Amino acid sequence: DAGVIQSPRHEVTEMGQEVTLRCKPISGHNSLFWYRQTMMRGLELLIYFNNNVPIDDSGMPEDRFSAKMPNASFSTLKIQPSEPRDSAVYFCASSAGTSGYNEQFFGPGTRLTVL
Amino acid sequence: QQPVQSPQAVILREGEDAVINCSSSKALYSVHWYRQKHGEAPVFLMILLKGGEQKGHEKISASFNEKKQQSSLYLTASQLSYSGTYFCGTEDTGRRALTFGSGTRLQVQP
Repeated sequence: DAGVIQSPRHEVTEMGQEVTLRCKPISGHNSLFWYRQTMMRGLELLIYFNNNVPIDDSGMPEDRFSAKMPNASFSTLKIQPSEPRDSAVYFCASSAGTSGYNEQFFGPGTRLTVL
Repeated sequence: QQPVQSPQAVILREGEDAVINCSSSKALYSVHWYRQKHGEAPVFLMILLKGGEQKGHEKISASFNEKKQQSSLYLTASQLSYSGTYFCGTEDTGRRALTFGSGTRLQVQP
């Protein structure tokens, strides 16, 4: 059974460029989470969706970040324009529900470097 | 607000035990524990729910003190494979999403 799939695994871009990160959750899971991990700030929740609807985007840093989930099997996180401080590992995770009873399964992450 | 984990780091010899603590200033609905190895994604270990229910791996034990909003993860007879960074994630009754602590780095040596 395939786990959470993320692409690309590594992304190097220049400041000002648009970056799009992609995620395919585990089939049958109805909750999807985007996290960002840095040494300074740790593992932060950016946004999460339930049944393709954004539920909590309070962690999205600013208007340069946007996320969509057009269907149950695909989500994107877009940064436009990118800045060096956006450099981090971005994880996507999915779970079978939103309640605290359900474990989250993390994808392998996308390591983003903005020069 | 981020939960507080302690200790920040611990070094063990194989076979030794360790306890990792997690505390929050908010009323909690659940506490999750994950382990992350270097360069990899976090992996689920355990969920503890308000009311005493637990869900997780058989070889890992944990506790949840609802009154104190604290949880502890117990690692017994540690193995080399236990090395990694352990994160607690808390879900408070107001926000139904996980907030992760800063992590506890555990290193098990032969």
